[in-house]
Amino acid sequence: EIVLTQSPGTLSLSPGERATLSCRASQSVSSSYLAWYQQKPGQAPRLLIYGASSRATGIPDRFSGSGSGTDFTLTISRLEPEDFAVYYCQQYGSSSWTFGQGTKVEIK
Amino acid sequence: QVTLRESGPALVKPTQTLTLTCTFSGFSLSTSGMCVSWIRQPPGKALEWLALIDWDDDKYYSTSLKTRLTISKDTSKNQVVLTMTNMDPVDTATYYCARIHNNRFPDAFDIWGQGTMVTVSS
Repeated sequence: EIVLTQSPGTLSLSPGERATLSCRASQSVSSSYLAWYQQKPGQAPRLLIYGASSRATGIPDRFSGSGSGTDFTLTISRLEPEDFAVYYCQQYGSSSWTFGQGTKVEIK
Repeated sequence: QVTLRESGPALVKPTQTLTLTCTFSGFSLSTSGMCVSWIRQPPGKALEWLALIDWDDDKYYSTSLKTRLTISKDTSKNQVVLTMTNMDPVDTATYYCARIHNNRFPDAFDIWGQGTMVTVSS
């Protein structure tokens, strides 16, 4: 089973700043099967990015994904107040789906 | 509009079997590429994938939990059912069902239910 490790655990930033979130896999992941989600308190996760770099329906272009192999990145170009939340990466491989442990983006 | 809704008991006792139902609308699980999965989240912790069933009735389970899980579907009722045996307090979590639409978002969960909180306690 592929393990996803996200860093940092918490990111303290101000609105307008750039956020860079990392997701590292224990073995190579197909870029086609790497996704990112946003979760706010009391809500279900929301799909942001699929296929490592494609934005899901209705996702603003300040969200972007990149990476390949074992290293993937979610970038929020300029943080809006509604972007402060927990972000999870997720992969599919060998008939199994796994999530990272999450990165919390909090207001500094 | 695609929606999913989880239902089941809010409280179960240790050693009991949990049965959860996901009722969905706006798509058919008999359509090629469609899948429904169960994912859980203990309070304050990360998401954990549990099981998935696809349009062809193929079933996939978390390696660590596969001996305790069974997933099934009733296409005519638009429902997916998950059973988890031998419940323990560590299984206390919010349980979500979510869809995969492989023809649009390969192996990514694009629509989620609101989740149902299950507490395991005597």
